[in-house]
Amino acid sequence: GAGVSQSPSNKVTEKGKDVELRCDPISGHTALYWYRQSLGQGLEFLIYFQGNSAPDKSGLPSDRFSAERTGGSVSTLTIQRTQQEDSAVYLCASSPRSSSSGSLSYEQYFGPGTRLTVT
Amino acid sequence: AQTVTQSQPEMSVQEAETVTLSCTYDTSESDYYLFWYKQPPSRQMILVIRQEAYKQQNATENRFSVNFQKAAKSFSLKISDSQLGDAAMYFCAYRRLSNTGKLIFGQGTTLQVKP
Repeated sequence: GAGVSQSPSNKVTEKGKDVELRCDPISGHTALYWYRQSLGQGLEFLIYFQGNSAPDKSGLPSDRFSAERTGGSVSTLTIQRTQQEDSAVYLCASSPRSSSSGSLSYEQYFGPGTRLTVT
Repeated sequence: AQTVTQSQPEMSVQEAETVTLSCTYDTSESDYYLFWYKQPPSRQMILVIRQEAYKQQNATENRFSVNFQKAAKSFSLKISDSQLGDAAMYFCAYRRLSNTGKLIFGQGTTLQVKP
């Protein structure tokens, strides 16, 4: 079946512009994660959505970053007034519920990421 | 807060040989998951192997195995019979048993496989 998809694959923007990154999780996966991979900070968690629960935004680096997940499926990560330090690969992952226990599955399925370059 | 450390930025191995990638972590919890992910140039993170902390037996997946030393908080990955397709960046990751399931990653190790 289809995996996690992200768009665009690459995005070049000017400093100060707003950008939107999109993630389409695997159908039926209830959990969705955003991570950022940058040269200086490595791979870091940004935000987590689970069903209708309030998202865990603890990893968002500043109030310029926000994300939403509509209808429990597609998610959009928005970065306002982009800065050069926002240049990174933004990875999305989704995860299902365990069929046996009903708890969150251990495995996260990653998309190919969006490479954001702020000039 | 939990941390994960990979002290080897780069490693190389001859094709068909064995290589071990190191990972240490810090946590005060007794139950958790540990993972090794592979990231080829395509950027797609692929789960290689996982270990539940409550299990004493080391996980094995074909040519990949781990050496899990809970007391030492060490979690190394051994790749046997290395293949050219194993060349990638490898990340060690930690996840708490409960809460959101977010992953905490190490800095990564770039593995080069020489023909």
